Amino acid sequence: KQEVTQIPAALSVPEGENLVLNCSFTDSAIYNLQWFRQDPGKGLTSLLLIQSSQREQTSGRLNASLDKSSGRSTLYIAASQPGDSATYLCAVPSGEGFGNEKLTFGTGTRLTIIP
Amino acid sequence: EPEVTQTPSHQVTQMGQEVILRCVPISNHLYFYWYRQILGQKVEFLVSFYNNEISEKSEIFDDQFSVERPDGSNFTLKIRSTKLEDSAMYFCASLEVGGSTEAFFGQGTRLTVV
Repeated sequence: KQEVTQIPAALSVPEGENLVLNCSFTDSAIYNLQWFRQDPGKGLTSLLLIQSSQREQTSGRLNASLDKSSGRSTLYIAASQPGDSATYLCAVPSGEGFGNEKLTFGTGTRLTIIP
Repeated sequence: EPEVTQTPSHQVTQMGQEVILRCVPISNHLYFYWYRQILGQKVEFLVSFYNNEISEKSEIFDDQFSVERPDGSNFTLKIRSTKLEDSAMYFCASLEVGGSTEAFFGQGTRLTVV
């Protein structure tokens, strides 16, 4: 059974700093990995999808890496801003099918950027 | 930009009542999902739906739950007799077949059972 862990559970950093969020998963047979952002009481916004064949994916100030063999992914946020404050979740499909399987989510990292 | 739309955003219901949560997936997507998130807990899978039938369901998805795609656009989750422990945020998601396999989520329906 796939398990997804995110460390740290919470992180506070001053505005402008670069930071790294971590995600680990127990079953490396994954089709892709997706990072989401969740604002308090709100929905899930997809940030980045990284395919199993990729090692990195970038969108603006965000960069996600994937090391499938070691079961790890990182989300790098450059030049953090107060608007980046949110909970960040990673999720993986349950198998190596076509990526249409159910997603298993991590517990999230609650990020606070201090102005 | 296409998006998944959920209604209502918040529903309060009495224990034992039936509720129907509604979702309009992205139009060219063919895989549909319901997830829920109890306050302070992980997002957890409930059910997936493809080709007008359930493709997978979790242990949570018991006989009190049902899903339906009554027309070409809506996807609904029905809870027949709500319990206090059904209080959660319910998310609908959809995914394109043969595309990027990126799952898109709606903004959620916060269900409060009193």
